[in-house]
Amino acid sequence: EDKVVQSPLSLVVHEGDTVTLNCSYEVTNFRSLLWYKQEKKAPTFLFMLTSSGIEKKSGRLSSILDKKELFSILNITATQTGDSAVYLCAVEYGNQFYFGTGTSLTVIP
Amino acid sequence: DGGITQSPKYLFRKEGQNVTLSCEQNLNHDAMYWYRQDPGQGLRLIYYSQIVNDFQKGDIAEGYSVSREKKESFPLTVTSAQKNPTAFYLCASSSRGYGYTFGSGTRLTVV
Repeated sequence: EDKVVQSPLSLVVHEGDTVTLNCSYEVTNFRSLLWYKQEKKAPTFLFMLTSSGIEKKSGRLSSILDKKELFSILNITATQTGDSAVYLCAVEYGNQFYFGTGTSLTVIP
Repeated sequence: DGGITQSPKYLFRKEGQNVTLSCEQNLNHDAMYWYRQDPGQGLRLIYYSQIVNDFQKGDIAEGYSVSREKKESFPLTVTSAQKNPTAFYLCASSSRGYGYTFGSGTRLTVV
């Protein structure tokens, strides 16, 4: 079964747009929720969220977790072509990690 | 520089062969993981190890084997029992509270 569901599956935007990527999950007592950016190589770590309602921010990227509604969002403002990638969401539960299939973001000039 | 090194980057296997993928880390992380990624699917866990000389099966362990004789190394063997081995394999390590570090991956193709 799918424990982590990401939406949309793919997204095409113009430079300068703001995008919101969604991650919903089924598990409740998880240790952390993680966001990764995957380009041609391995995923690079973006955020780790463990507490509900606390926004994590890094430059133009921010993320927040809602443990009550079981979802997280990743916001990217003023998008650039370098933001084009697959964004992965993962939940750490027990000793395992459950990844979504990712959202493929394409930013066109 | 600290990190994870996976080798080789590309690997070709003939049907019926066993092949071993290398994963080495110098981050002093206790936990190491092997994932498999196929198009349209999320990363799936093959095996993981929390400490030296101990490892557990993940969701798709059939046809794979691992060893953890040293903290720094966690090689993955893809055996001939794995019926569909062509995929991208990612190794990762973690230290509690600090997120995860991934290697650059190995692309395995059966020829």
